[in-house]
Amino acid sequence: QKEVEQNSGPLSVPEGAIASLNCTYSDRGSQSFFWYRQYSGKSPELIMSIYSNGDKEDGRFTAQLNKASQYVSLLIRDSQPSDSATYLCAVREKSSGDKLTFGTGTRLAVRP
Amino acid sequence: ETGVTQTPRHLVMGMTNKKSLKCEQHLGHNAMYWYKQSAKKPLELMFVYSLEERVENNSVPSRFSPECPNSSHLFLHLHTLQPEDSALYLCASLPFVGTVNTEAFFGQGTRLTVV
Repeated sequence: QKEVEQNSGPLSVPEGAIASLNCTYSDRGSQSFFWYRQYSGKSPELIMSIYSNGDKEDGRFTAQLNKASQYVSLLIRDSQPSDSATYLCAVREKSSGDKLTFGTGTRLAVRP
Repeated sequence: ETGVTQTPRHLVMGMTNKKSLKCEQHLGHNAMYWYKQSAKKPLELMFVYSLEERVENNSVPSRFSPECPNSSHLFLHLHTLQPEDSALYLCASLPFVGTVNTEAFFGQGTRLTVV
């Protein structure tokens, strides 16, 4: 079983729509959850972190965490073509010390 | 600018060459990672250093040799690489587990081509 799972996509949404990206993880003891955006050929860029159950909003981005379901999601409101990228979910797992584990990423395409 | 600097940004090397990649951070972080990302593939964790000690070696071939002389610097020494080792090599820096703010930041990466 993969430790952090994401749908590889591509997820295609029209400009102005809400994009919903999902991630599940296997380690119930995980404490820290992150979303990174990666443009082609570039390094991952941190866009959201979340540590407790519920929602966390930052501009057009909302991260949602449900530890009971071992589920974390990222909502992007008013999607723009510039949001087209691969979104990586990352989990810092208590059981593995300092290890930061990434999912395979979901490719998002926002159609003008 | 994330506070994590990788050099060089691009490197072309022959299979018999020896080269080193460098990563530097001045964020006060205690853990540093090397990741490999091949074309259209996910991030592959290579090495984890925590407080300058290697805590994970993810079955990486011995032609890759990491070095962490202090908490601000991380090196990846390369020798007798193969063409399939061509990839984007990423360094990440993060606070020691247990701190409140545990966000990890990446350097810009080194695009390595082995010819």
